[in-house]
Amino acid sequence: DIQMTQSPSSLSASVGDRVTITCQASQDISNYLNWYQQKPGKAPKLLIYDASNLETGVPSRFSGSGSGTDFTFTISSLQPEDIATYYCQQYDNLRTFGQGTKLEIK
Amino acid sequence: EVQLVESGGGLVKPGGSLRLSCAASGFTFSSYSMNWVRQAPGKGLEWVSSISSSSSYIYYADSVKGRFTISRDNAKNSLYLQMNSLRAEDTAVYYCARQDGSGSDYWGQGTLVTVSS
Repeated sequence: DIQMTQSPSSLSASVGDRVTITCQASQDISNYLNWYQQKPGKAPKLLIYDASNLETGVPSRFSGSGSGTDFTFTISSLQPEDIATYYCQQYDNLRTFGQGTKLEIK
Repeated sequence: EVQLVESGGGLVKPGGSLRLSCAASGFTFSSYSMNWVRQAPGKGLEWVSSISSSSSYIYYADSVKGRFTISRDNAKNSLYLQMNSLRAEDTAVYYCARQDGSGSDYWGQGTLVTVSS
């Protein structure tokens, strides 16, 4: 089974800050990685697919990069509405989510 | 407008069974693979099962293999999850989600399954 390790597990940042979350796969998954945003009490929302492609309608302040085993998710300028938990998900072999990163406003 | 509406959740005793349904509308259901994803209270997301558009390919997480069965009825635009031999650790909100290529682009609102005596 492929394990996905996200870090940090929680993060506090100020509005306007650049925020970075990392996700590491236990084996090479090429670019078979998605990023989701989940707000409290809501279903997850797809933000990034294939490691670096922005889903339609998602603001350009969100971006993703990486391939192989190491991936990065970035919010270039944190907005108040970005408060949520973010998950990576591999789909190279079945599907596995990372444990999530809870993002809070400082 | 794409809509996915789950139903069938509720309280069930350990060892019991439950069948979840997901009614799809607003898109050509028979053209998409579908997933079930769950989230235990206060925990992260866990992929449960996937089914291809024609039901040719079906996959399960190890945690539910042999106990859960995914199925679909393209004529009824519906996805199902039959859950048997339920355990306390199966307690979660269960989401159905449409798979568009690599990611799940539309999700239902979820249905809560509670396994408790």
